[in-house]
Amino acid sequence: SQQGEEDPQALSIQEGENATMNCSYKTSINNLQWYRQNSGRGLVHLILIRSNEREKHSGRLRVTLDTSKKSSSLLITASRAADTASYFCATVLNFGNEKLTFGTGTRLTIIP
Amino acid sequence: DVKVTQSSRYLVKRTGEKVFLECVQDMDHENMFWYRQDPGLGLRLIYFSYDVKMKEKGDIPEGYSVSREKKERFSLILESASTNQTSMYLCASSPIQGINADTQYFGPGTRLTVL
Repeated sequence: SQQGEEDPQALSIQEGENATMNCSYKTSINNLQWYRQNSGRGLVHLILIRSNEREKHSGRLRVTLDTSKKSSSLLITASRAADTASYFCATVLNFGNEKLTFGTGTRLTIIP
Repeated sequence: DVKVTQSSRYLVKRTGEKVFLECVQDMDHENMFWYRQDPGLGLRLIYFSYDVKMKEKGDIPEGYSVSREKKERFSLILESASTNQTSMYLCASSPIQGINADTQYFGPGTRLTVL
């Protein structure tokens, strides 16, 4: 079964606006990761946040993690047309367990 | 940069055929994975391997087998393809140590259609 669920399933915003996507998961985790997938292509790793971290930044990306609520959010600031893609959260349950469990993704469309 | 390549971008096969999907990574990663991706279902793990000749079942192994004879190569085999195996297949690899441990690097995917 899917560990993570993204919300919303689809999001359309104007170029330059900020985009926020949320991910909820069910069990305790070692870390949570966000990936991007351009249409019909493979996934690209964006950022990893560990269970003992609360916030992480990478360029225009900001990820937060709330382990008490079992949720994470991905914020993309100053969006660009090239950010149009599907975004997936994925969880690693235990240290030494390399398996990722993916959510079903958020489809983000940036309107020029 | 890590590179993961898959043998075909698009593949069309007939029901009952034996299908081989090949994946090669060039970064000496220990772990390799095969997923399938279907609309509304996200990515589901079929099999993974943490070492040469080692394999473990993922969430949906039925109808599939795998082979890992060399560290850099991980093959997915559909013994007798069926129409419900029409899907996008994604291969990934990851290191077990270092700053990028747990991060998975994906190939471009193979879109398989079974007629």
